[in-house]
Amino acid sequence: NAGVMQNPRHLVRRRGQEARLRCSPMKGHSHVYWYRQLPEEGLKFMVYLQKENIIDESGMPKERFSAEFPKEGPSILRIQQVVRGDSAAYFCASSPPQGAGTEAFFGQGTRLTVV
Amino acid sequence: GESVGLHLPTLSVQEGDNSIINCAYSNSASDYFIWYKQESGKGPQFIIDIRSNMDKRQGQRVTVLLNKTVKHLSLQIAATQPGDSAVYFCAERDTGNQFYFGTGTSLTVIP
Repeated sequence: NAGVMQNPRHLVRRRGQEARLRCSPMKGHSHVYWYRQLPEEGLKFMVYLQKENIIDESGMPKERFSAEFPKEGPSILRIQQVVRGDSAAYFCASSPPQGAGTEAFFGQGTRLTVV
Repeated sequence: GESVGLHLPTLSVQEGDNSIINCAYSNSASDYFIWYKQESGKGPQFIIDIRSNMDKRQGQRVTVLLNKTVKHLSLQIAATQPGDSAVYFCAERDTGNQFYFGTGTSLTVIP
């Protein structure tokens, strides 16, 4: 049973380009969470999704950032027109439906560098 | 959302000593708590969890204590080893299945 898979592991984008970060949850997991982490800092919540639904996006910047978790395929965190301040590690976690063994497991993250 | 905070941002311990990492949470309705370990350059790794109907749970060299009266969570690591050096996060899950993380405590083990 593969763990949470994130790709790419490292992503370099020039200012103004788009960044797409992918997260494939563990098998049987229907909940996905995205977090952002700056060096030497903690995890900052961005968005919580279930299949085809955004449950909580209170941590997402109002502009340029979007997330989806389609019925088929991975969850995507999309950052349009990236700026240097978007450089960070982005982690995704997945968990099964509540009450069915509820640990949240993390992927290894995507390290985004904006040059 | 609710916040989960840690009392100490850094902790240094001698190899072989026991480590205690503390965490305060604010949502009394949270029903599930997890400790994670994050090594440099890696994603957080699940260590141990505890449900709100328990006050103590033990794993291999680790023990989690939950005090719901004061909304406090702690992670105890016995006989700390150099490989335990990492950042440790606590997380709480609310009734909406949302996880909230603390800032993290950086543990350094001195050989």
